Amino acid sequence: SQQGEEDPQALSIQEGENATMNCSYKTSINNLQWYRQNSGRGLVHLILIRSNEREKHSGRLRVTLDTSKKSSSLLITASRAADTASYFCATDVLSGGYNKLIFGAGTRLAVHP
Amino acid sequence: DAGVIQSPRHEVTEMGQEVTLRCKPISGHNSLFWYRQTMMRGLELLIYFNNNVPIDDSGMPEDRFSAKMPNASFSTLKIQPSEPRDSAVYFCASSPGLAGVMNTGELFFGEGSRLTVL
Repeated sequence: SQQGEEDPQALSIQEGENATMNCSYKTSINNLQWYRQNSGRGLVHLILIRSNEREKHSGRLRVTLDTSKKSSSLLITASRAADTASYFCATDVLSGGYNKLIFGAGTRLAVHP
Repeated sequence: DAGVIQSPRHEVTEMGQEVTLRCKPISGHNSLFWYRQTMMRGLELLIYFNNNVPIDDSGMPEDRFSAKMPNASFSTLKIQPSEPRDSAVYFCASSPGLAGVMNTGELFFGEGSRLTVL
């Protein structure tokens, strides 16, 4: 089964609203990363939060990490139509003797003008 | 600067044919990854290289899949023979750090190769 699971699977909001996406994982992590994927395109890195960090900001993005609950959230404030995309959390974990970046199933975000 | 370059962007082939996907990582990056994306299974890590050396290929689905990195600027993923269940988008990504032996940093993805096997 996948290491990370996003919630919700899909989110539909109006422009200007905030969007919150959650990610839960199962095993200890080195770090957790969020990526964005526009339809038909490659993934683009948004933010990385280390296991000893609790919160990180980048522009309109805010990421939190709760290692005790094995969960993270991505908040996009004042959303825009251009934010419409799929968002993936990825956990850097030790597996089979190597560190690997394992992706969740993603949240599809639709921002309506 | 050019990002990760993948070719072809789209490939349609018939079952049993050989498929070769190509990737040029970002210059100076030490690690290269191949991922596969499908609706059913999401993004799966197939294999990754450090300094052109394969480190972990445990994600390669079966012997029909092989990957090489003959030099720092080129990698291939080959499927022979191809089957309809191989239909997916295959992504190549590169990273400045050494994968596997240290914490994984930011990955830089190509635009993907969409493979359809009929």
